[in-house]
Amino acid sequence: GNSVTQMEGPVTLSEEAFLTINCTYTATGYPSLFWYVQYPGEGLQLLLKATKADDKGSNKGFEATYRKETTSFHLEKGSVQVSDSAVYFCALSNQAGTALIFGKGTTLSVSS
Amino acid sequence: EPEVTQTPSHQVTQMGQEVILRCVPISNHLYFYWYRQILGQKVEFLVSFYNNEISEKSEIFDDQFSVERPDGSNFTLKIRSTKLEDSAMYFCASTGLAVSSEYFGPGTRLTVT
Repeated sequence: GNSVTQMEGPVTLSEEAFLTINCTYTATGYPSLFWYVQYPGEGLQLLLKATKADDKGSNKGFEATYRKETTSFHLEKGSVQVSDSAVYFCALSNQAGTALIFGKGTTLSVSS
Repeated sequence: EPEVTQTPSHQVTQMGQEVILRCVPISNHLYFYWYRQILGQKVEFLVSFYNNEISEKSEIFDDQFSVERPDGSNFTLKIRSTKLEDSAMYFCASTGLAVSSEYFGPGTRLTVT
């Protein structure tokens, strides 16, 4: 079945450090891939997405590239800020109307 | 920007009571979903709804759960007889026809005592 595996957290970084959160997936067909972010006490917000192989999603300085050969969608940011502290979820969907399959989430804590 | 809204933001109920969680999806969206997140755990799919019927459901979505779109704008999740383990954040989401990102509401925190 479909599944998403994320690196275990928490990830603790200093401001302006480089961030990588690993995400790999198992899926039939050609899923769309997503990163969602959950700030403390809030709901889920779409951060970025990619719908086909080699697509790069980007938003707010975050990037992730859909790598079919390695079945990965790693999240990166060149210089994190304290305001980036949140839980990040990798997710996939095979088609409209089907469930989003989430990873377990990775907590990022950025200190000044 | 259009958004998904949910009410109430927090619901406290006693074990065995019925609760109805309400959602207003984005108006031109066609697929509707409920997910839940037990505190500190992953987000789990409950059910998807399209064309006035359930299109997919997880094993969590047993006979205690039901969904309804009563009036063309609201989308509700009913839990008939709540259990302590139903305590969680419940998120509603919606999406359009094409494969696209699901837009999530802010969630309803359900506390069963």
